[in-house]
Amino acid sequence: LAKTTQPISMDSYEGQEVNITCSHNNIATNDYITWYQQFPSQGPRFIIQGYKTKVTNEVASLFIPADRKSSTLSLPRVSLSDTAVYYCLVGDPRPNSGGYNKLIFGAGTRLAVHP
Amino acid sequence: EAGVTQFPSHSVIEKGQTVTLRCDPISGHDNLYWYRRVMGKEIKFLLHFVKESKQDESGMPNNRFLAERTGGTYSTLKVQPAELEDSGVYFCASSQASTILREQFFGPGTRLTVL
Repeated sequence: LAKTTQPISMDSYEGQEVNITCSHNNIATNDYITWYQQFPSQGPRFIIQGYKTKVTNEVASLFIPADRKSSTLSLPRVSLSDTAVYYCLVGDPRPNSGGYNKLIFGAGTRLAVHP
Repeated sequence: EAGVTQFPSHSVIEKGQTVTLRCDPISGHDNLYWYRRVMGKEIKFLLHFVKESKQDESGMPNNRFLAERTGGTYSTLKVQPAELEDSGVYFCASSQASTILREQFFGPGTRLTVL
């Protein structure tokens, strides 16, 4: 299973755009990149998933370069409520694959948004 | 629609005692997972049910842990006898039938303290 590396922590201010980059040099052909968010005393929550290029939803954007060895989660105009831990996960969602539906969490990036 | 619920939210027991954690997944979700975070560590996968069958239990730490999902609805995770190192937060998650989207819906977790 591909290992991911991301910053331990980041600080930002309300209204700013935040970009969290994740490295996954050993990503396999069938792996997808998925990001989760976790607030204190809650379980992780799915944010976004992509395979290549750019994916956007109502919460965030995910940028994946052509070599797929890294990805960047972009949060536009963060607010205090975006303070959380953000996890980058890589895995193969196909049945009977090693990563089938087994989420492998790293340490995540602790984002603190300040007034 | 109700999310994933877990009971109890907190449990404090003494070493050697037995504890049973319960998880009610989102209705209609065939996939049910257990994860845990022990102090200072990352969230780790324990096992995965598809309906009532154990699909993957590679993350179960030892035979003191027993997970069941009779009838393919709710699941229980029993720890018997509990040890100090079992302290942590136990998360349950559920998801729909297998898809490319690696979105799992997590419950709030059960915080287990073994004294």
